[in-house]
Amino acid sequence: KNEVEQSPQNLTAQEGEFITINCSYSVGISALHWLQQHPGGGIVSLFMLSSGKKKHGRLIATINIQEKHSSLHITASHPRDSAVYICAVVPYMDSNYQLIWGAGTKLIIKP
Amino acid sequence: ETGVTQSPTHLIKTRGQQVTLRCSSQSGHNTVSWYQQALGQGPQFIFQYYREEENGRGNFPPRFSGLQFPNYSSELNVNALELDDSALYLCASSLDEGTYEQYFGPGTRLTVT
Repeated sequence: KNEVEQSPQNLTAQEGEFITINCSYSVGISALHWLQQHPGGGIVSLFMLSSGKKKHGRLIATINIQEKHSSLHITASHPRDSAVYICAVVPYMDSNYQLIWGAGTKLIIKP
Repeated sequence: ETGVTQSPTHLIKTRGQQVTLRCSSQSGHNTVSWYQQALGQGPQFIFQYYREEENGRGNFPPRFSGLQFPNYSSELNVNALELDDSALYLCASSLDEGTYEQYFGPGTRLTVT
């Protein structure tokens, strides 16, 4: 079993729909990242969370440390949101602050 | 725009050759990490450098080596290239050992034929 699990693996939705991507992890963490990767492209960090909730534009990320779960929400989705969304965690007490990566969720937003 | 750049963008090499990939971090970022992302998979941690010293290493053979320079640039060197080394190579910098926030470069796409 992977230490970081994302669901769904693939998600196709219509423009305007509210999108939720989930991330569950089994290790104690210091922080959790949500990242975005467009096809063939590099990775962009969207959020880094250690508690609570963060909002940036149409993106909202929440984390529940007790339940070891985080969600990424996209409101009023748009075709340009189509990308792979990756959850990655920093294990607690890892002195190298290495990231453990989820497998990613491939999101396609149709016009 | 993360302030982290990588070069080259794309590279094609032949099996057995050697390659050097470069990363330029944000000024003041003393930590750089390198990741390998094979097609369709998540990134795998290669190693991390802090103030020019290797600070941690993933499950990669010694033919993967690195250097970090005082001017916040770094290199990933891979010797004796194998076909399976074909991947996107990402570098990420962070301010210091005590911060978790990493800024990613756009990556170098390496193809080994």
